Amino acid sequence: RKEVEQDPGPFNVPEGATVAFNCTYSNSASQSFFWYRQDCRKEPKLLMSVYSSGNEDGRFTAQLNRASQYISLLIRDSKLSDSATYLCVVIFFSGGYQKVTFGTGTKLQVIP
Amino acid sequence: SAVISQKPSRDICQRGTSLTIQCQVDSQVTMMFWYRQQPGQSLTLIATANQGSEATYESGFVIDKFPISRPNLTFSTLTVSNMSPEDSSIYLCSVGFSGQAKEAFFGQGTRLTVV
Repeated sequence: RKEVEQDPGPFNVPEGATVAFNCTYSNSASQSFFWYRQDCRKEPKLLMSVYSSGNEDGRFTAQLNRASQYISLLIRDSKLSDSATYLCVVIFFSGGYQKVTFGTGTKLQVIP
Repeated sequence: SAVISQKPSRDICQRGTSLTIQCQVDSQVTMMFWYRQQPGQSLTLIATANQGSEATYESGFVIDKFPISRPNLTFSTLTVSNMSPEDSSIYLCSVGFSGQAKEAFFGQGTRLTVV
């Protein structure tokens, strides 16, 4: 089983639609969770952190479910500019050791 | 936060040669990471470079092929040795912070094409 798993998509959605991505992780001791966005031929950039209490930033909502070991990203009112690959990132640390694990990414294409 | 400068941004290399990629951070960081992203794929960790100790390589990656230097807390290099077309990829450096897991910051990436 992969450490972090995502549906690769692509998700093709019309403008204005709501779309949700899930990501599951295998290491129950993981402590930090993020969603990153990667545009074509660019480096990944932080979209938002993910907390158990939920995290909302405008049209984006991220949620962590520790019991089921998954995180989610909800995008409301999709824009053309939301088209990108969304990477789930899970971080485990212990003492001075830190490991960052990426999901394979979910590709989103918002169509006019 | 951290600002990371990575160079070269791209290169086209002959098979059998080696390329060294540099990563400079604007602040001192304990851990630096090197990733590879093959076309259409996500990021795969190559190794973790810690200052003052040897790099730790992930399964499938070896020091002879990807030697890493970490001379100080703001700089690291990754060398792709004896390149073949299969090494064509984007290589990214990243930094993390000790003490608590923080978000990951990335360099702009090096797009390598081996011909």
